[in-house]
Amino acid sequence: SAVISQKPSRDICQRGTSLTIQCQVDSQVTMMFWYRQQPGQSLTLIATANQGSEATYESGFVIDKFPISRPNLTFSTLTVSNMSPEDSSIYLCSVRLVGNEQFFGPGTRLTVL
Amino acid sequence: SQQGEEDPQALSIQEGENATMNCSYKTSINNLQWYRQNSGRGLVHLILIRSNEREKHSGRLRVTLDTSKKSSSLLITASRAADTASYFCAPLYDKVIFGPGTSLSVIP
Repeated sequence: SAVISQKPSRDICQRGTSLTIQCQVDSQVTMMFWYRQQPGQSLTLIATANQGSEATYESGFVIDKFPISRPNLTFSTLTVSNMSPEDSSIYLCSVRLVGNEQFFGPGTRLTVL
Repeated sequence: SQQGEEDPQALSIQEGENATMNCSYKTSINNLQWYRQNSGRGLVHLILIRSNEREKHSGRLRVTLDTSKKSSSLLITASRAADTASYFCAPLYDKVIFGPGTSLSVIP
């Protein structure tokens, strides 16, 4: 398995501000992903974080709103920009190991006022 | 669509009973994973079953995979109140897309 940590675990932010979420894995992984889970909903894939190149975004998500960095094989950040109350969600980092098992971090609970 | 579809969407049972959840998917896969999410918590990886496996066990969990029918099932035996959670199947393609899940309530 993999040990995944996220910072912060939760935050309350004001409308119009930005928040950067960090994801750290205890081993090198090829594939990292970012998901969002809105209240009462299932998980939605935001993007695949590619090491050394631009992230691959899913339909409905754009780089200007959710810029992602992946400087190495153990770390990634997701920024939620110009936040609105609709961005209130749990944001989860996920990694896929060589055997294709995919694990999730504990999540970052974001509330936008 | 690359997501799995869980059925039923909600299930309520008495403690000690068995719970069965089903998953269907559209196109061929190499493997499929099941996850549990307790209310407000992160996703816990339960089990991965590969396309060349028909059945896999882990403790009180039994997962089956029928690639000809493009379906999988998760059986939880002798359920406990702590099993109350949402359960998701995740057929593996280049990315994992989640369906609505099955919300399981185990009544003490």
